[in-house]
Amino acid sequence: GNSVTQMEGPVTLSEEAFLTINCTYTATGYPSLFWYVQYPGEGLQLLLKATKADDKGSNKGFEATYRKETTSFHLEKGSVQVSDSAVYFCALRGRDDKIIFGKGTRLHILP
Amino acid sequence: GAGVSQSPSNKVTEKGKDVELRCDPISGHTALYWYRQSLGQGLEFLIYFQGNSAPDKSGLPSDRFSAERTGGSVSTLTIQRTQQEDSAVYLCASSLNREVGGELFFGEGSRLTVL
Repeated sequence: GNSVTQMEGPVTLSEEAFLTINCTYTATGYPSLFWYVQYPGEGLQLLLKATKADDKGSNKGFEATYRKETTSFHLEKGSVQVSDSAVYFCALRGRDDKIIFGKGTRLHILP
Repeated sequence: GAGVSQSPSNKVTEKGKDVELRCDPISGHTALYWYRQSLGQGLEFLIYFQGNSAPDKSGLPSDRFSAERTGGSVSTLTIQRTQQEDSAVYLCASSLNREVGGELFFGEGSRLTVL
């Protein structure tokens, strides 16, 4: 079946550092790919998405590119802020429309 | 309201009791999902409803877990004879179909504690 693997956390960075959170997937066909974020004390919300190969999703300075050749959807941000501290989840929506998530990566940004 | 609504927000129960968790999705959303979030375990898929199709129950961990969706709207997740390992936050989400975007909109969750 389909699966999502993302890097283990926690990830701790200083403010203004470059961020990469790796995500790879296994799926049949062409899934849609998502990053969701859960800020402290809040519910899960969509951060960005990409629905076909080579699409780039972007939001709030974060970007991720749908790479079919490497089955990856890595999340990047050029300069992180303390307010980016949260748990980030990579997810895919398969042909059967079932949406599955990775285990989440906790990000701590130090001032 | 306009978002996904879940109740109760918190439930404490004794081992062996049955619990029901309710989800009211966003009006017009055809798909409804239940997930379980445990500490360090990420989001575990439980069940998925799409319109009038048979639900995908492949994620339910045991036959103590069941869910129904009445009238294509409100859903209830029932856990019978609860065990301590059932303690978690149960999240409900709804979405439109893939062609319209397909992303999930989550409720605030129901935190279940089994003593």
